[in-house]
Amino acid sequence: AQSVSQHNHHVILSEAASLELGCNYSYGGTVNLFWYVQYPGQHLQLLLKYFSGDPLVKGIKGFEAEFIKSKFSFNLRKPSVQWSDTAEYFCAVMTYNQGGKLIFGQGTELSVKP
Amino acid sequence: DVKVTQSSRYLVKRTGEKVFLECVQDMDHENMFWYRQDPGLGLRLIYFSYDVKMKEKGDIPEGYSVSREKKERFSLILESASTNQTSMYLCASNTQRSYTDTQYFGPGTRLTVL
Repeated sequence: AQSVSQHNHHVILSEAASLELGCNYSYGGTVNLFWYVQYPGQHLQLLLKYFSGDPLVKGIKGFEAEFIKSKFSFNLRKPSVQWSDTAEYFCAVMTYNQGGKLIFGQGTELSVKP
Repeated sequence: DVKVTQSSRYLVKRTGEKVFLECVQDMDHENMFWYRQDPGLGLRLIYFSYDVKMKEKGDIPEGYSVSREKKERFSLILESASTNQTSMYLCASNTQRSYTDTQYFGPGTRLTVL
């Protein structure tokens, strides 16, 4: 069965530090890849997504992610985090043989210290 | 703007009660999904529906059922609530027109079963 793994469960950074959150998936076919974010008390919202083309995807609020097919990875990055980036981040995969369903990783909680 | 609403933000029920969670979307989306979110486990798919009166089991359907009588509304039913169903429940929807379509999430219902 397909699965998604996020390596970091809780990351604590100071403001202006660089961020990289790991995401690996297990599926050999074509995938669509997503990063969602859940700010405290708010609903889950899309940060960025990859379907095809340039493997470096830019999203909202200065986030970007790189799809490396050979490594089955889709890591999320931000060069300089802010206190307002404190949230939980979820990586998700959609495969064509699953009828549009999303498979989520376990989530990574990011705490940014002011 | 896509809007997915859920009937309650917080719900407290007793063991054995029948519980209804309601979800409504206003974008004429064909697909609707119910997930539960638990710390360290991410989001797990309970049930989904591609059309009115259609339903498919997700990864953890045991103890749950669903109903989709109208295109915009998708209900999750706990026939006899148990304490291990205490969780955050998220509803989502997207279109069937393309597998690239993003899922949009509601604010969630935090259910506590005593």
